[in-house]
Amino acid sequence: GQQVMQIPQYQHVQEGEDFTTYCNSSTTLSNIQWYKQRPGGHPVFLIQLVKSGEVKKQKRLTFQFGEAKKNSSLHITATQTTDVGTYFCAGSAGGTSYGKLTFGQGTILTVHP
Amino acid sequence: ETGVTQTPRHLVMGMTNKKSLKCEQHLGHNAMYWYKQSAKKPLELMFVYNFKEQTENNSVPSRFSPECPNSSHLFLHLHTLQPEDSALYLCASSPRTGRVDEQYFGPGTRLTVT
Repeated sequence: GQQVMQIPQYQHVQEGEDFTTYCNSSTTLSNIQWYKQRPGGHPVFLIQLVKSGEVKKQKRLTFQFGEAKKNSSLHITATQTTDVGTYFCAGSAGGTSYGKLTFGQGTILTVHP
Repeated sequence: ETGVTQTPRHLVMGMTNKKSLKCEQHLGHNAMYWYKQSAKKPLELMFVYNFKEQTENNSVPSRFSPECPNSSHLFLHLHTLQPEDSALYLCASSPRTGRVDEQYFGPGTRLTVT
């Protein structure tokens, strides 16, 4: 079945440093979504990418979808302590799986002040 | 906060107990989901309901029994669980399946099976 791998599993940064997490799918995706889960909280939707090579920005966050639609990345510029949490990518393969999301393991981000 | 509520927030049950988890969404969505979140594992999709009809059962053991009486409510009935079933159970909703929609998660029920 479809697998979504995410690296790194953990990332510790000093406040102000940049952070990137990568997501790779074993199959071509119809779309990819990113979620953030704060410690003790629940996943919250950040963004969705649909087009090959798409790049979207939300303030300090930049999201990319690969040309082959099998990989994606989330980059945070100048991290802040409020960025702490686990970042998940989730892909949908389309077809009969349309709408069904397969989540990556997540990257746990720690930001040291 | 997200329009999706779950009760109870914490549950401790023995392996011979029967309990139910409840989820309610106030967003007017038509699709609802149950996920299992275990430590150091990806979120695992368990069940999907679209317009009250079950459209996905991700090979979940029969000791988990979902129920969706209407588009706003989703239950997960639990019986004869195993200790490895201890996890955070998350409910989510989206406008509908069959298209690409963001999912809105509830706060989850932290389940401990003793």
